Amino acid sequence: DIQMTQSPSTLSASVGDRVTITCRASQSITSWVAWYQQRPGKAPRILIYQESSLESGVPSRFSGNGSGTDFTLTISSLQADDFATYYCQHYNSYSRTFGQGTEVEIK
Amino acid sequence: EVQLVESGGGLVQPGRSLRLSCKASGFTFGNYVMTWVRQASGKGLEWVGLIRSKAYGATTEYAASVKGRFTISRDESKNIVYLQMNSLKSEDTAVYYCTRDKDESSGYYYGLDYWGQGALVTVSS
Repeated sequence: DIQMTQSPSTLSASVGDRVTITCRASQSITSWVAWYQQRPGKAPRILIYQESSLESGVPSRFSGNGSGTDFTLTISSLQADDFATYYCQHYNSYSRTFGQGTEVEIK
Repeated sequence: EVQLVESGGGLVQPGRSLRLSCKASGFTFGNYVMTWVRQASGKGLEWVGLIRSKAYGATTEYAASVKGRFTISRDESKNIVYLQMNSLKSEDTAVYYCTRDKDESSGYYYGLDYWGQGALVTVSS
């Protein structure tokens, strides 16, 4: 089974910072990678699908990129609303696999 | 408006069974793969399993941690997806989310684009 390893586990940043979260697959995969945001006590919300497609209604400061084994989620200018936990997820025909999550906290 | 509403959570003793339901509305239920995801308190998201659309035989896939104990099914007439959990263990304690998955009529994967509010399952004696 493919494993998805996120880094870092925790990230301290300030409003206005550019932030990048990385997800590494245990083997080369197609661009079936999605990213989710989860605020405390809430269900996750999808941000990015198919590696780089922005979900409708998601601010354009979020972007996704990558190929092969390495995928990234970038927040171009961190806003107060963005302090949350982020998960990557891989999809194939028989499973869905999440990374372990990255908590973005206020510096 | 797409809605997913879970029910059936609660406190259950180890070794016993529990069934969660997820009522879907606001979209063509029969076209979609439906997926269950769980999250233990303070932990990350864990994929539990999925059920394909009836057109694809309503076949299922499961995570290794629940295979043989959990069963997902769907009722197209009621737009409900079920998660039957047997032989429950303390490590199954989590919030269980029902999610909308792949649209099999289009063949495209847009991620888990809608989530229910979650149902808390606590396995304890």
